[in-house]
Amino acid sequence: GAVVSQHPSWVICKSGTSVKIECRSLDFQATTMFWYRQFPKQSLMLMATSNEGSKATYEQGVEKDKFLINHASLTLSTLTVTSAHPEDSSFYICSANDSWETQYFGPGTRLLVL
Amino acid sequence: RKEVEQDPGPFNVPEGATVAFNCTYSNSASQSFFWYRQDCRKEPKLLMSVYSSGNEDGRFTAQLNRASQYISLLIRDSKLSDSATYLCVVLSGGSYIPTFGRGTSLIVHP
Repeated sequence: GAVVSQHPSWVICKSGTSVKIECRSLDFQATTMFWYRQFPKQSLMLMATSNEGSKATYEQGVEKDKFLINHASLTLSTLTVTSAHPEDSSFYICSANDSWETQYFGPGTRLLVL
Repeated sequence: RKEVEQDPGPFNVPEGATVAFNCTYSNSASQSFFWYRQDCRKEPKLLMSVYSSGNEDGRFTAQLNRASQYISLLIRDSKLSDSATYLCVVLSGGSYIPTFGRGTSLIVHP
């Protein structure tokens, strides 16, 4: 099946710093990628839809100025958590659709903000 | 009402048991349906797509009931390694934006 990678797999940072997470589709082109957040023992929450060459579409309640998304190419989307705070600590997962609508997920990035 | 609903469980079953999960969806225009499996602290992985005619993959059978707007997943001869959370995913319209259920937790015990 298709492969989606994420980098880094985990990050620990101080409060107030910014963290960039990369999501890459390795063997297919993805015009659309999705960013999710998952808190412990909770379901995946869609944060935003990342569209190649255009602005991301954010879900209600997700601050676009805090979670900056850039989809610069058909294989790369980045999520930058700006001025991270402890409440931003979470498991961030990206996904991408292949041409048959199947979602493939990256392995996730664990963010811990101290 | 949530767009996609699942019984969160947990379903606690012995090895060898048959267990079934249902997932209901509210949008009658939904077009594509999937079951994913998520292990603790890992990303979801595609288990199987759900076709109108139903599909089977080894011990796993998925079915779609459009009239009643639900999909099901049947696991036969449960293994300890089947313990996980099973997520129902629905795609509607042409946007490809997935809607997830909250997941059903399965625990298979010896």
